[in-house]
Amino acid sequence: DQQVKQNSPSLSVQEGRISILNCDYTNSMFDYFLWYKKYPAEGPTFLISISSIKDKNEDGRFTVFLNKSAKHLSLHIVPSQPGDSAVYFCAAYSNYQLIWGAGTKLIIKP
Amino acid sequence: GAVVSQHPSRVICKSGTSVKIECRSLDFQATTMFWYRQFPKKSLMLMATSNEGSKATYEQGVEKDKFLINHASLTLSTLTVTSAHPEDSSFYICSAMLAGGSYEQYFGPGTRLTVT
Repeated sequence: DQQVKQNSPSLSVQEGRISILNCDYTNSMFDYFLWYKKYPAEGPTFLISISSIKDKNEDGRFTVFLNKSAKHLSLHIVPSQPGDSAVYFCAAYSNYQLIWGAGTKLIIKP
Repeated sequence: GAVVSQHPSRVICKSGTSVKIECRSLDFQATTMFWYRQFPKKSLMLMATSNEGSKATYEQGVEKDKFLINHASLTLSTLTVTSAHPEDSSFYICSAMLAGGSYEQYFGPGTRLTVT
């Protein structure tokens, strides 16, 4: 039973445009969500997080939106840059354990 | 920022030998560390949660006698793969949670294990 789902295995976006990565979850008890970025053969790097009491959190080019009624969160990257090409994982906290999505590979085209 | 290191970054060993991987939080204390395994083109799989000074909690399906975890101090956790076999070849990543209740986990750079 996959509690955190990233339904798009990959996404291709033109440099300078907006990248939108989506994530759905099933457990309404999740109270904290995070996005991580991962390059091949490296550990994930924390990007941005959001508490369930908020619906938006912004940090520079990265904004995370949370829609609790739809159990959906999204990560917006604008403008997209070549260095943003990586795999992005969303994760949710449950009892101090991170429940991970399968990841979405973002490719930024020049 | 919070930095986590892993050593070695890559290791090749012969089948039947044991390999130890170290995970250190360099500039903070971590009461809880996590060990993950990543299979090719798959998400991270949590293997175990390790709390300083106590026994690790293993996820279902992870053999505790094969993957020995020791969290001896607030800055060091070790994972020992005992009697390694080729199917243990994988990318192992640790993470550390800041003492004090922050939700964020900080990840090490990973260790590529190849068992021949």
